[in-house]
Amino acid sequence: KAGVTQTPRYLIKTRGQQVTLSCSPISGHRSVSWYQQTPGQGLQFLFEYFSETQRNKGNFPGRFSGRQFSNSRSEMNVSTLELGDSALYLCASATDSFQETQYFGPGTRLLVL
Amino acid sequence: GENVGLHLPTLSVQEGDNSIINCAYSNSASDYFIWYKQESGKGPQFIIDIRSNMDKRQGQRVTVLLNKTVKHLSLQIAATQPGDSAVYFCAETSYGQNFVFGPGTRLSVLP
Repeated sequence: KAGVTQTPRYLIKTRGQQVTLSCSPISGHRSVSWYQQTPGQGLQFLFEYFSETQRNKGNFPGRFSGRQFSNSRSEMNVSTLELGDSALYLCASATDSFQETQYFGPGTRLLVL
Repeated sequence: GENVGLHLPTLSVQEGDNSIINCAYSNSASDYFIWYKQESGKGPQFIIDIRSNMDKRQGQRVTVLLNKTVKHLSLQIAATQPGDSAVYFCAETSYGQNFVFGPGTRLSVLP
């Protein structure tokens, strides 16, 4: 069974631009969670989607948004990029939404200049 | 959820020795825990999990111990190998909540 895939793997943007990242979960998984990973803050939860609905949301500004499609693929969008948004963005999928093992993708490395 | 990520402790062990990585979790209501391994340039990889109705669980060369009284989780790796060098994270959750990750511990295996 294929693992979680994320595209693109690397991205360079400039301040003020917006970006869309994509995540395809493991086949059969309906829950997709997004995380931001930085050296200073570690792994921080952004949001979780299950059956096209946002189930949980972390403490990030409204510039960070996401959505999930009927095939469980998910996208996250960051608008008006800031230098501090440079990070590794990780997507994790699970069969169901709560207390099930999450499996991570390789991440998208975003650099904001 | 809270997240502490300002300091990354490091554990250095000799190849062949056993490693013990510790994690103090924050929420006494947490009842499901996972250990992940993250190698450079990769996403976290699932190692082993444990639910709060257990205090010990074993996998291949790994054992997770859970002490709910002091809110402590540990990961034991037997006969540590160079391929075990990575950052290890514990993650906790309770029903309906997102996972909260610890700051991570860097394991360095010395030849």
